[in-house]
Amino acid sequence: DAEITQSPRHKITETGRQVTLACHQTWNHNNMFWYRQDLGHGLRLIHYSYGVQDTNKGEVSDGYSVSRSNTEDLPLTLESAASSQTSVYFCASSVAETYNEQFFGPGTRLTVL
Amino acid sequence: GQQVMQIPQYQHVQEGEDFTTYCNSSTTLSNIQWYKQRPGGHPVFLIQLVKSGEVKKQKRLTFQFGEAKKNSSLHITATQTTDVGTYFCAGWGSQGNLIFGKGTKLSVKP
Repeated sequence: DAEITQSPRHKITETGRQVTLACHQTWNHNNMFWYRQDLGHGLRLIHYSYGVQDTNKGEVSDGYSVSRSNTEDLPLTLESAASSQTSVYFCASSVAETYNEQFFGPGTRLTVL
Repeated sequence: GQQVMQIPQYQHVQEGEDFTTYCNSSTTLSNIQWYKQRPGGHPVFLIQLVKSGEVKKQKRLTFQFGEAKKNSSLHITATQTTDVGTYFCAGWGSQGNLIFGKGTKLSVKP
């Protein structure tokens, strides 16, 4: 069955380290998204991509970067982790056409000490 | 910027009671989506509303889209413990991305 996976599921790192969170989907969806979820803030968009080599900044993109070299993967990199980036991170994907439902991965809980 | 506001933030109900969450946008929405997130889980798509005044039902869940397409609601009749979770509405922003409300966390006391 097609699915969307994230790894690692849990990560503890130290301030200043570079961290990469993986997202892989097998639906062949063109659109992929990264969100962070914090208490009191709901889901906030970090970066998104509408296809290979396409990346766009979302609402809270500072300190994060993404690259899209193939359809299946959209890794999220924290260039220099900060305690404010402690959060739960969700990856999502959707088909190319506008206004479609998004399919979410299981999430990665990141703690920055 | 565009905002999607959702109330209440929390709702505690006795099993069997009804529950309603409301969503309001600062701008007219082309459509609106609703998601449910179980405790410890990930958001799962429930439904999308497109037409002004649209009403859709899924068993005990009733979704409405306002006439002006700036507000929406989700009503659950006779809640069950399986309804526990956080319900999010989401509207499409001007850049083609989804803007989520902060969600309503529902707890159900058996």
